Amino acid sequence: AQTVTQSQPEMSVQEAETVTLSCTYDTSESDYYLFWYKQPPSRQMILVIRQEAYKQQNATENRFSVNFQKAAKSFSLKISDSQLGDAAMYFCAFETSYDKVIFGPGTSLSVIP
Amino acid sequence: NAGVTQTPKFQVLKTGQSMTLQCAQDMNHNSMYWYRQDPGMGLRLIYYSASEGTTDKGEVPNGYNVSRLNKREFSLRLESAAPSQTSVYFCASSSRTGRETQYFGPGTRLLVL
Repeated sequence: AQTVTQSQPEMSVQEAETVTLSCTYDTSESDYYLFWYKQPPSRQMILVIRQEAYKQQNATENRFSVNFQKAAKSFSLKISDSQLGDAAMYFCAFETSYDKVIFGPGTSLSVIP
Repeated sequence: NAGVTQTPKFQVLKTGQSMTLQCAQDMNHNSMYWYRQDPGMGLRLIYYSASEGTTDKGEVPNGYNVSRLNKREFSLRLESAAPSQTSVYFCASSSRTGRETQYFGPGTRLLVL
C-alpha cells in the first residue's frame, strides 16, 4: 500500500528562524510527484512546492525548499526566515501513476513572535 | 477568475437526509476531485473525474455518488447521510491527471446529526 507519513503532528518555530517538517512515503513506483500543501486557518489549500521524482535537484520556492532523498523515500520541507503568516497546517502529498493523490495526516506549525 | 467554488459553505443534516455538494471551476481543467478532511487523517480521496464523462472511485467512496455534469462542474451526493460523514469536504481541479498541481476550493463543512 502507498502511504505518506508525517511524524510530527505539531511543530513550533521562532519568527525569523528556520524549521524543517518531515515526510516519508512508501511506494514501489520509480516515477512520481511529491507536493507540500499549506492550509491556513481559512482552510484554503495552497500549493507550497512540488518535486518531480526523476529530478535529483531539490526544488526551491523563495523561502521554501525541500530535501528529497529518493532512496530513503524522504521529502522534508525547510522554511527559512519563518514569518507569522507561515503558521498553518502543512500536508505532504504523493501523486501516483494512477492519478491519485495520497495525503499525509499533516503537521501543525506555530510561529512564535 | 474565481478558481474553484463550492456550495454550500456549511450544512447541517439529520441522519438519513440527502444532499448534493456543488463544485465548479473556471480554469478549463480536465480533472476534478472530491476529498474529505477529518482531524488527524489528512485528506482522503472520495471520487475523481479524469475528464468529462468519466468518474472513478478513490479511497473512501462508500456512501457517496458523483456526477461530472460538464467540464466545469463536479457534484458530490450523499443519498442517506450518516454521522460518520461529518467532515470538511474539498473539491479540487487540475489541468490533467498525471502529477499536475491541484487547485482547491474553500471547503464545505458538513455536520450530520
